[in-house]
Amino acid sequence: KAGVTQTPRYLIKTRGQQVTLSCSPISGHRSVSWYQQTPGQGLQFLFEYFSETQRNKGNFPGRFSGRQFSNSRSEMNVSTLELGDSALYLCASSASTGNYEQYFGPGTRLTVT
Amino acid sequence: GENVEQHPSTLSVQEGDSAVIKCTYSDSASNYFPWYKQELGKRPQLIIDIRSNVGEKKDQRIAVTLNKTAKHFSLHITETQPEDSAVYFCAASGSNYQLIWGAGTKLIIKP
Repeated sequence: KAGVTQTPRYLIKTRGQQVTLSCSPISGHRSVSWYQQTPGQGLQFLFEYFSETQRNKGNFPGRFSGRQFSNSRSEMNVSTLELGDSALYLCASSASTGNYEQYFGPGTRLTVT
Repeated sequence: GENVEQHPSTLSVQEGDSAVIKCTYSDSASNYFPWYKQELGKRPQLIIDIRSNVGEKKDQRIAVTLNKTAKHFSLHITETQPEDSAVYFCAASGSNYQLIWGAGTKLIIKP
């Protein structure tokens, strides 16, 4: 099976702009979680989508949003970018309800200037 | 709220020695405990996991132990090698099918 893919891999944006990141889960996986990782920091949970519904949400401002499509692909959007949004954004997919194993994509490195 | 504490934040060991990383969880309902390894510039990868009906699990040089009464679990790496240098994350299953993550441990293997 192909692994989790994320596009784009690298992105440079200007403060105030918005950005959309994409994640394609492993075939058959219905859950997609998003994480923000800053240098030297851990995995900060953003949100999780399951069957096109947001099932869990972390403590991030409303500028961070996401959605999931019927094919389980997910996008996250960050509006009004701030310098502090510069980070590695990782998505992870898991198979189904009750299966906690998460498989990570390579991440999108976002730089806000 | 649900919480996982991970210690130490940085661990430096001599090559060939053992390394132990410990995590404590708060939710007594947690029943799945994975460990992920993230090498520099790479994605986190699952290296070993344990479920609450098992006390210990081994895979070659790595092992995980679980103490449900004390609500803590540990990762043990024996005969450490340079390629073990990485950041290790523990996690515990939370409510609503979430994973609750520890803050990570940077493991440094000294030659």
